[in-house]
Amino acid sequence: QEQLQESGPGLVKPSQTLSLTCTVTGGPLRSIVYYWSWIRQRPGKGLEWIGYIYENGDTYYNPSLKSRVTMSIDTSKNQFSLEMTSVSAADTAVYYCAKRTTYWFDPWGRGTLVTVSS
Amino acid sequence: DIVLTQSPATLSLSPGDGATLSCRASQSVRTDLAWYQQKPGQPPRLLMFHASKRAAGIPARFSGSGSGTDFTLTISSLEPEDFAVYYCQVRDSLPMYPFGQGTRLEIK
Repeated sequence: QEQLQESGPGLVKPSQTLSLTCTVTGGPLRSIVYYWSWIRQRPGKGLEWIGYIYENGDTYYNPSLKSRVTMSIDTSKNQFSLEMTSVSAADTAVYYCAKRTTYWFDPWGRGTLVTVSS
Repeated sequence: DIVLTQSPATLSLSPGDGATLSCRASQSVRTDLAWYQQKPGQPPRLLMFHASKRAAGIPARFSGSGSGTDFTLTISSLEPEDFAVYYCQVRDSLPMYPFGQGTRLEIK
C-alpha cells in the first residue's frame, strides 16, 4: 500500500500563504480510481475535509475554503500540493494528506502541524 | 448538507467491556459510511467502510452496522489499545465529506 508524507513550513505568518506538499511512495499517483486529498484537524477539534485532486488535475474543494485553496499535482514526482492564501490563526491545524477510495480515506500521512502566528 | 452526530461524546469503559458507539446522519446515506480510529499524535486509521466492512488488518472484535441514518460501531471486548477517539464520515453531494465530531473512548 502507498505511504504518504506531508512536508512544508510549520510556521506561517497571518495573511500569508500556506504551502504543503504530499509525497506518495509505494504506488503511482496516476490512477483512474483514486483522488488525492487534504484534510485538517484544528487543535482539539474534529476533522475537516479541505479538498482533493485527480490525476488529470481536476479539483474539488470544500465550499467554505474554496476561495482560498488551490491544489496541484505532479505525477512525475508522485507529489500533490496544497496552497491556502490569506491564512489566519483559525487555519492553525494539523494538515493531513490522504488517498480517497470511493468515499473513504485510506491511507493517511502522519500529518504536519502548521501554526499561523506572527 | 449532511450533518453527522456521534454519541456519546465520551464513553468510559474498562478493558474487556463491550462498547457501542453511535453515529446519526441528518439524511439518508444508505450504507455509505466509514469509521476511523484516532490515537493521540497519530492520523486517523480506517476501521470500516460501507458501514459494516472491516478494513484490512482490523480485528474481528470491531463490527459495524446500520443503514440510512443510524449507524453503530461495536467493539465486542475492549483491548487496552482500543481506547482512542472514533469518527464516522460520509459522502455528501457537491462533493463534500463531513466527519462526525467524534466519540472519545476512555479507560474507566
